[in-house]
Amino acid sequence: DAGITQSPRHKVTETGTPVTLRCHQTENHRYMYWYRQDPGHGLRLIHYSYGVKDTDKGEVSDGYSVSRSKTEDFLLTLESATSSQTSVYFCAISSLGQPQHFGDGTRLSIL
Amino acid sequence: KQEVTQIPAALSVPEGENLVLNCSFTDSAIYNLQWFRQDPGKGLTSLLLIQSSQREQTSGRLNASLDKSSGRSTLYIAASQPGDSATYLCAVREGTDKLIFGTGTRLQVFP
Repeated sequence: DAGITQSPRHKVTETGTPVTLRCHQTENHRYMYWYRQDPGHGLRLIHYSYGVKDTDKGEVSDGYSVSRSKTEDFLLTLESATSSQTSVYFCAISSLGQPQHFGDGTRLSIL
Repeated sequence: KQEVTQIPAALSVPEGENLVLNCSFTDSAIYNLQWFRQDPGKGLTSLLLIQSSQREQTSGRLNASLDKSSGRSTLYIAASQPGDSATYLCAVREGTDKLIFGTGTRLQVFP
C-alpha cells in the first residue's frame, strides 16, 4: 500500500526487553509517523518525523524513541517494553498537506 | 485540546441503503479533514481529504462534507453494498501535519 512496509508484522516479547519496529517507504515522502491503535482510544500519534534526523513527539511518546537516519526508514524503539505497550502499531507517510497513507501495521504483544 | 467524536459507534444496515456517518471536532482551526476506511486486521485506506477551504469532496459513491465553523463533517455513502462493511475513521489535521483521529464507526452492510 502506497509503498510502505512495516516489519515485523507480528512480534511477541517479554516485559523489559528492547523492541525495534521498522517502517520503510519507497515514495520519498518527507513526513513519517508512528501511531498506536488500541480499543476505545482509536489511533494516537507516538512520534513523527519531518525530515532526516528531524523528529518530534506526539500525544503518547513516553517510553518510545525514534530515529530517522535516511529518508526511507523510520524506526520506533521501545527501550524496555511494558505490558501497556501491547498494541497495534501503524506507520504512515505523507507530503505536506497531502493524505496520509498507512502501512499494514505491526501487532506487538508484550507478556 | 482537539477532540474528535464519531457517531454512531456502530451501524448495521441492509444492502442498498444510503448512509450518513458523522464526525465532530471541538477546535475549528484545522487544515483539513480526512476520512479513512479500515478493514479488520488491516491498515487504513484514505478515502477522501477535504481542505479547510472546501465544503465537500466526492469519490464514486462517497461524498464528504465539511462545516468547519460548526465543527462537523459527514460521510455519505450511496447505495451501500456488503463490500462497504468496515470501520470508518475521520481525522482532522492540525499544525505540522499531525492527525487527530476519532474512534470510528463500525459499519456492517448485510445482503
